[in-house]
Amino acid sequence: SQTIHQWPATLVQPVGSPLSLECTVEGTSNPNLYWYRQAAGRGLQLLFYSVGIGQISSEVPQNLSASRPQDRQFILSSKKLLLSDSGFYLCAWRPLNLDYGYTFGSGTRLTVV
Amino acid sequence: SQQGEEDPQALSIQEGENATMNCSYKTSINNLQWYRQNSGRGLVHLILIRSNEREKHSGRLRVTLDTSKKSSSLLITASRAADTASYFCATDAWAAGNKLTFGGGTRVLVKP
Repeated sequence: SQTIHQWPATLVQPVGSPLSLECTVEGTSNPNLYWYRQAAGRGLQLLFYSVGIGQISSEVPQNLSASRPQDRQFILSSKKLLLSDSGFYLCAWRPLNLDYGYTFGSGTRLTVV
Repeated sequence: SQQGEEDPQALSIQEGENATMNCSYKTSINNLQWYRQNSGRGLVHLILIRSNEREKHSGRLRVTLDTSKKSSSLLITASRAADTASYFCATDAWAAGNKLTFGGGTRVLVKP
């Protein structure tokens, strides 16, 4: 069966520090991968998505970047965190078949202080 | 901007009652999906309804879709305390490059 792993679960980082969040998927090949951010009590905002290795599309210009070095690995990064980067970050995948929903990771709660 | 907007934003009911929440969207869609999120957790996919479908059931869940009104509803029958969560609708549209666009969610509290 397919599973998705996202870590760490919580992170407290000072302003100006770098960030690296990792997401891996097991049990499937060629998944579409997504990074979302959720502000407290709000819906999800799509940050990046990827349809293949090295293929990254950015939805919102910001202080973050994403990379997909392997088929089932998706990384969210920042060189210098801002206070406004705080939030709940969620990784998700889905197969190429559009009739399936997304499978989400358990999320990373990032607090920039 | 968000494609889907849920209504109401919050809902409080007694265990055993039914919970209904609505979702409106703006553009033509391929499908509409509903997700549940427990506090501080990831989202769980509940049900997907295609644009050519009008109603779908899954256990105690019933979803309807009215493409002429660009709206959908999620009904949870015989609610339980464990149904307490936030519920999100999400639309999958060609115009959005087949990426899900989420609404703001409905927070449901089921009191025992």
